Amino acid sequence: NAGVTQTPKFRILKIGQSMTLQCAQDMNHNYMYWYRQDPGMGLKLIYYSVGAGITDKGEVPNGYNVSRSTTEDFPLRLELAAPSQTSVYFCASIMDSVYNEQFFGPGTRLTVL
Amino acid sequence: QKEVEQNSGPLSVPEGAIASLNCTYSDRGSQSFFWYRQYSGKSPELIMFIYSNGDKEDGRFTAQLNKASQYVSLLIRDSQPSDSATYLCAVTRNQFYFGTGTSLTVIP
Repeated sequence: NAGVTQTPKFRILKIGQSMTLQCAQDMNHNYMYWYRQDPGMGLKLIYYSVGAGITDKGEVPNGYNVSRSTTEDFPLRLELAAPSQTSVYFCASIMDSVYNEQFFGPGTRLTVL
Repeated sequence: QKEVEQNSGPLSVPEGAIASLNCTYSDRGSQSFFWYRQYSGKSPELIMFIYSNGDKEDGRFTAQLNKASQYVSLLIRDSQPSDSATYLCAVTRNQFYFGTGTSLTVIP
């Protein structure tokens, strides 16, 4: 199993550009999450999904969108990138409830200039 | 009030000593409690989880949960330089809430 994979690993965007951060898992997990981590800070939840076709907002959803058309994939879309979105983005998944361990992807480091 | 609070540190301990990391949470309805370790530039990795009051031991690690006082702690015995990392506490109530992490340095 590859676990949770994320692409790209690094990206530099200009203000106003858009991009999609890809996340995939091959563990047949129902729950998937997107977090951002700013320097010296903890993880803040952006969006999450409890299954294909079902998504919900987390603590900091503004400026982002998600979709979940399959169990495996959970892409995060940034529209009109802003410097405040400079961060490290982690995708994570768990099997079926918050009693289970979260598996994290390697992260995407995004810089918006 | 933050959902989860941790002392940001840095916490420094000599090699072989016990490191004690603490975490408090605000919601009495919290369901499960996790400790993650994160090396610089890497993703978090699970160390331990605990659901019930009391202690849970796994090798050199012991997690302690006190729901009445709303705190959870992590003890690392015989600390090693390889334990130097940031430790994140996570609490769940329908979703995960993370603290800002405590930076630990183990001095050889």
